[in-house]
Amino acid sequence: EIVLTQSPATLSLSPGERTTLSCRASENIDTFLVWYQQRPGQAPRLLIYDASNRATGVPARFSGSGSGTDFTLIISSLEPEDFAIYYCQQRSVWPLTFGQGTRLEIK
Amino acid sequence: QVQLVQSGSELKKPGASVTISCKTSGYTFSRYAMNWLRQAPGQRLEWMGCINSNTGTPTYAQGFTGRFVFSLDTSVTTSYLQITNLEPEDTAIYYCAREAETWNSGSWFDPWGQGTLVSVSS
Repeated sequence: EIVLTQSPATLSLSPGERTTLSCRASENIDTFLVWYQQRPGQAPRLLIYDASNRATGVPARFSGSGSGTDFTLIISSLEPEDFAIYYCQQRSVWPLTFGQGTRLEIK
Repeated sequence: QVQLVQSGSELKKPGASVTISCKTSGYTFSRYAMNWLRQAPGQRLEWMGCINSNTGTPTYAQGFTGRFVFSLDTSVTTSYLQITNLEPEDTAIYYCAREAETWNSGSWFDPWGQGTLVSVSS
């Protein structure tokens, strides 16, 4: 199965800052990479699909890029509600697999 | 709007069974597959598999065969996950999550149910 490795595990930042989250796949997954946000006590929420497409209702400060094995999620200016855990997921090959998550916390 | 509402938390003893429901609304049920996922404490999310909401055909990921059963009741637009012979290692939050695209299965998920905590302890 494809292993996704996210880095860093935790980021401590302040509102207004820009941040980049990384997701690396153990093999080529083209652009079949999805990002989710999970706020405390909530279910994951779709942010980005196919590496760079924002889901409906997702603010423009979220953007995704990458292909092959290396992917990034960029949040251009952090809002208080963005402090959460972010997961990547590959949909290239079954079984679908997830990264271990990056926790974004307020500094 | 599209909603997935799951049944409440469960506390079970080893060897028991549990059924989690996922009541849907706001879309044509048969057009979207339903996926089930598990989030065990300290572990990454795991995709358990999916069920075709048109045909009722389930697909189980490796590691989720035998004791795990997906089913549907189209009359009440509800999906179900049954787990039999529960083990302490089954303690987790279980999510239903609708396939994001029509007539697709096992791809990406939008939206998700709120999650159901299943605790297994003697």
